[in-house]
Amino acid sequence: SQQGEEDPQALSIQEGENATMNCSYKTSINNLQWYRQNSGRGLVHLILIRSNEREKHSGRLRVTLDTSKKSSSLLITASRAADTASYFCATKHAGGTSYGKLTFGQGTILTVHP
Amino acid sequence: NAGVTQTPKFQVLKTGQSMTLQCAQDMNHNSMYWYRQDPGMGLRLIYYSASEGTTDKGEVPNGYNVSRLNKREFSLRLESAAPSQTSVYFCASSEYGQGTEAFFGQGTRLTVV
Repeated sequence: SQQGEEDPQALSIQEGENATMNCSYKTSINNLQWYRQNSGRGLVHLILIRSNEREKHSGRLRVTLDTSKKSSSLLITASRAADTASYFCATKHAGGTSYGKLTFGQGTILTVHP
Repeated sequence: NAGVTQTPKFQVLKTGQSMTLQCAQDMNHNSMYWYRQDPGMGLRLIYYSASEGTTDKGEVPNGYNVSRLNKREFSLRLESAAPSQTSVYFCASSEYGQGTEAFFGQGTRLTVV
């Protein structure tokens, strides 16, 4: 099963609304990253949050991390049609056989309607 | 500044044929990776190279080989393509090690018939 699992699998909102995506993971991590993928393109790094951080902001993005619940959320405020994309969380393992490796979740497909 | 460049962008192979996917980065990164992306599976790591001269298996290495030709280039070879290798392949690089910001190429869409 996947280390990182995003929820919901798909999200459809109107322009100007906020979008919230969640990521849960199973093992201890060093950091968690969020990436965006536009249709037919490669992934683009959005933000990295370390295991000792609880919240981080970057422009219209806000990421939270709760290591006790092994979960993270990505909030996009005042969404735009250009935010339409798939969003992936990726976790860097802190131990075990996957130590140091980066594992991606299955992604959330966000559609923002103009 | 091109970032990560992959070639080709599209490829159709017959079962049993071989091919090499090329990847080059111009950011002087130490680490490079090959992932495959399949519907509903997210990205899965095939092989990675933590630094020039080293390569290691990822989650799904069977049927693939890699070569870290120099610091810039990291190629992925399919020796005998199978339909199960139909996928979109992404090359990525990062300054040092997994868990740092990774930069991705635009992908190679491979179909094995």
